[in-house]
Amino acid sequence: DVKVTQSSRYLVKRTGEKVFLECVQDMDHENMFWYRQDPGLGLRLIYFSYDVKMKEKGDIPEGYSVSREKKERFSLILESASTNQTSMYLCASRNAGSNQPQHFGDGTRLSIL
Amino acid sequence: GNSVTQMEGPVTLSEEAFLTINCTYTATGYPSLFWYVQYPGEGLQLLLKATKADDKGSNKGFEATYRKETTSFHLEKGSVQVSDSAVYFCALTLTGGGNKLTFGTGTQLKVEL
Repeated sequence: DVKVTQSSRYLVKRTGEKVFLECVQDMDHENMFWYRQDPGLGLRLIYFSYDVKMKEKGDIPEGYSVSREKKERFSLILESASTNQTSMYLCASRNAGSNQPQHFGDGTRLSIL
Repeated sequence: GNSVTQMEGPVTLSEEAFLTINCTYTATGYPSLFWYVQYPGEGLQLLLKATKADDKGSNKGFEATYRKETTSFHLEKGSVQVSDSAVYFCALTLTGGGNKLTFGTGTQLKVEL
C-alpha cells in the first residue's frame, strides 16, 4: 500500500512565524500535491510538483511556497503565518500518467494564533 | 473551466437504508471521475473511479456509473452501515493532461442505528 506521511497531525503556531509542513511518500511517485480543506469549500489546491525541483502554482498559492529537493519529500512553507491560514492541510502523491489516483496523507490541522 | 457539484449535506440515514449522493460535473475535455471518502480524523481514501463513459466503478458495496449524457457520477449503496459515516468527495481529472484533481465540496453522511 502507498504510504503518505505528514509530519504532524496537529500544529499550533503564532502570527508571523515561518511554518514548515512536511510530507513524505514511499512509492517513488513523481507527482505531489498540497491542499487545504475548509468547511463548505472542499479541497483547494495550493501547489503541486510534477517531479524533483519542479513546482506549479495551484488555485490558491498566495502566502505559501513549496520545496521539492528529493523525490519522496514535498514541503509546504508559510512564509509569515496569518490567522486566515488556520486550516486542515492535506498532502497527496500519485504516479505520473493518465487516470492514476491521488493517495492522501492523514492531514495536518494547523492553528495560527 | 472544470467544476464538480455535489448535493449538500449532511445526509442522515438509518442503517440498511439506500444511499444516493448526487454528483454532476462540467469539464473541457474527457474527464476521469473519482469518489473519495474521508473518515473522521483521517485523510482522503480513493473509494472508486471510472475513466470513460458508461464505466461503472465499484468498491465496498458502493457503485457509481459515468453518465456522459447527463454529466453525472452519482454514488449509490444498497444498504448503508454505521461504519459508512464519513464525508464523500466527488472529483475529476482530465485525461491526457490533468494531473490535478478538481473536487466537489463534499457531502457528509451520518448513518444511525
